[in-house]
Amino acid sequence: NAGVTQTPKFQVLKTGQSMTLQCAQDMNHNSMYWYRQDPGMGLRLIYYSASEGTTDKGEVPNGYNVSRLNKREFSLRLESAAPSQTSVYFCASSETWDRVSNYGYTFGSGTRLTVV
Amino acid sequence: AQSVTQLDSHVSVSEGTPVLLRCNYSSSYSPSLFWYVQHPNKGLQLLLKYTSAATLVKGINGFEAEFKKSETSFHLTKPSAHMSDAAEYFCVVSSRGYSSASKIIFGSGTRLSIRP
Repeated sequence: NAGVTQTPKFQVLKTGQSMTLQCAQDMNHNSMYWYRQDPGMGLRLIYYSASEGTTDKGEVPNGYNVSRLNKREFSLRLESAAPSQTSVYFCASSETWDRVSNYGYTFGSGTRLTVV
Repeated sequence: AQSVTQLDSHVSVSEGTPVLLRCNYSSSYSPSLFWYVQHPNKGLQLLLKYTSAATLVKGINGFEAEFKKSETSFHLTKPSAHMSDAAEYFCVVSSRGYSSASKIIFGSGTRLSIRP
């Protein structure tokens, strides 16, 4: 099915460990985004990428790095995980090149990350 | 500055009765407004969007929303609730653009429960 695919779906890390969250979309969208979702806070933008090879910080980039490998793939890396990074992470894509899309977004099903 | 407030964190209705999920916003620019739905352990799905065209917007699954500039509201309604409507709903406001000043703000969500 067309859409946004995220892996893994669940992950438990120890403080200080590193990991990479993978995201791929097959809709030929230009922009891709990483959000985190925390209870009562809605979604907050971590990083976004308007095109291959370009990335830009969002509201909460500290502790994260990203890589837009090609038009399809956008990965999020936690170099040294902290308990404050316990969250649900969503990857999204949009056909626009804009930082903010008025076309709407297509979201993946999320990665539930727990850092202990 | 932009903000979005979902006035109810939880709404419970009986199956077959109307649904009203309330959203107020503030924006320095002409905003675009969206409603997304999130079913358990799923990503967010776009229900409908307002982007300065008709003020009454129809979405998927029988939902609609009315943009009222004078009241700075964008409430989501459905005439008759179905059990499958049980989910979390997010109101979103955005200002479009390329610059770092462009922002998209997610509300904190309203959980909709449907009673048989």
